Amino acid sequence: AQSVAQPEDQVNVAEGNPLTVKCTYSVSGNPYLFWYVQYPNRGLQFLLKYITGDNLVKGSYGFEAEFNKSQTSFHLKKPSALVSDSALYFCAVRDGGKLIFGQGTELSVKP
Amino acid sequence: NAGVTQTPKFRVLKTGQSMTLLCAQDMNHEYMYWYRQDPGMGLRLIHYSVGEGTTAKGEVPDGYNVSRLKKQNFLLGLESAAPSQTSVYFCASRASGGPYNEQFFGPGTRLTVL
Repeated sequence: AQSVAQPEDQVNVAEGNPLTVKCTYSVSGNPYLFWYVQYPNRGLQFLLKYITGDNLVKGSYGFEAEFNKSQTSFHLKKPSALVSDSALYFCAVRDGGKLIFGQGTELSVKP
Repeated sequence: NAGVTQTPKFRVLKTGQSMTLLCAQDMNHEYMYWYRQDPGMGLRLIHYSVGEGTTAKGEVPDGYNVSRLKKQNFLLGLESAAPSQTSVYFCASRASGGPYNEQFFGPGTRLTVL
């Protein structure tokens, strides 16, 4: 069965510093991986996805993610964090016509 | 273009009461989904639909029923609500044409069962 894991419940970063939100995956076959963000009291918003090709995927709001097949990871990154990036981040993997979500990581960016 | 909308936004039920949550999308998407979100558990799929008139069970279907009579609407029903169904419910939709099309989410319905 397909699955993803987000090993950190919370990540704290100072504004202006780089940020990384971790995700590892377990799949049979080719992985289709996604990152979503959820701001307080809102639905999830799509950030980026990996289908095939370049291991560095660029997405919305300056985010990017690095796909690493040997480490089965798909970490979300941003070179310079903003306070407005504070939110809940979800990694997900495609399983047939469905998405399997990780538990979520709360990102807190302090001024 | 409203995207995905959900009705109602909030609801409080007593144990044993029934209710229906409505999801509507105006993007002509084939696929629609119902999730529940609970702290520390991410989103879990309740039911989904791959087209008008079709439904299928997800990870946590017990206690819920769904219907997709029109392509743009996906209804989630609770016949006899239980406190364990207190949660935030999200609807999502996506286009067909590839398993890697992203899902679009509604704003959520916060349900409390007393």
